[in-house]
Amino acid sequence: LAKTTQPISMDSYEGQEVNITCSHNNIATNDYITWYQQFPSQGPRFIIQGYKTKVTNEVASLFIPADRKSSTLSLPRVSLSDTAVYYCLVGDTGSARQLTFGSGTQLTVLP
Amino acid sequence: DTGVSQDPRHKITKRGQNVTFRCDPISEHNRLYWYRQTLGQGPEFLTYFQNEAQLEKSRLLSDRFSAERPKGSFSTLEIQRTEQGDSAMYLCASSFPDRALNYGYTFGSGTRLTVV
Repeated sequence: LAKTTQPISMDSYEGQEVNITCSHNNIATNDYITWYQQFPSQGPRFIIQGYKTKVTNEVASLFIPADRKSSTLSLPRVSLSDTAVYYCLVGDTGSARQLTFGSGTQLTVLP
Repeated sequence: DTGVSQDPRHKITKRGQNVTFRCDPISEHNRLYWYRQTLGQGPEFLTYFQNEAQLEKSRLLSDRFSAERPKGSFSTLEIQRTEQGDSAMYLCASSFPDRALNYGYTFGSGTRLTVV
């Protein structure tokens, strides 16, 4: 299983762009990179998924360098409601067992 | 179909009692997963079903835990002889199996179990 390492916590201010980097040195060829967001007392919510280069959706962008040993989740112009825990997961999405959540990054957006 | 539903949202039980949780997945999803989450930790995988078949079980799923998914629709997770260490949030999720269509798991809001 590819292990991920991400910062325990980050602080930002409203309106700023936030970049959360995840390291996954042992990523396998079939592995995808997926990010989830979780608010207190709720289940995680899928944000974005990618395999290489850049992926963008209405919520975030995901940057993956050529060696795929890391990835960066970019949240543009964060608001207070983006305060949450963000999880980086690496695994073959065809196999449920290989999706393992770490402890995540607690993002706190300040006014 | 508004998402994954879990019932109840909260459950307080005395140690030694049995509890059962229910999960109703998104109807088009044929994969269903159970996770457990304790305070300050990420969710831990417990088990998953493809249709009605239980294909994977974590070592975390002791003999006191059993999960079923009759007819490949809703699922139940039962914990027998509850212990204080079972106190956690129990999360259910569902997904498509096809990678191309996989937009990740859709999680329910969870059942918060407190064993006193």
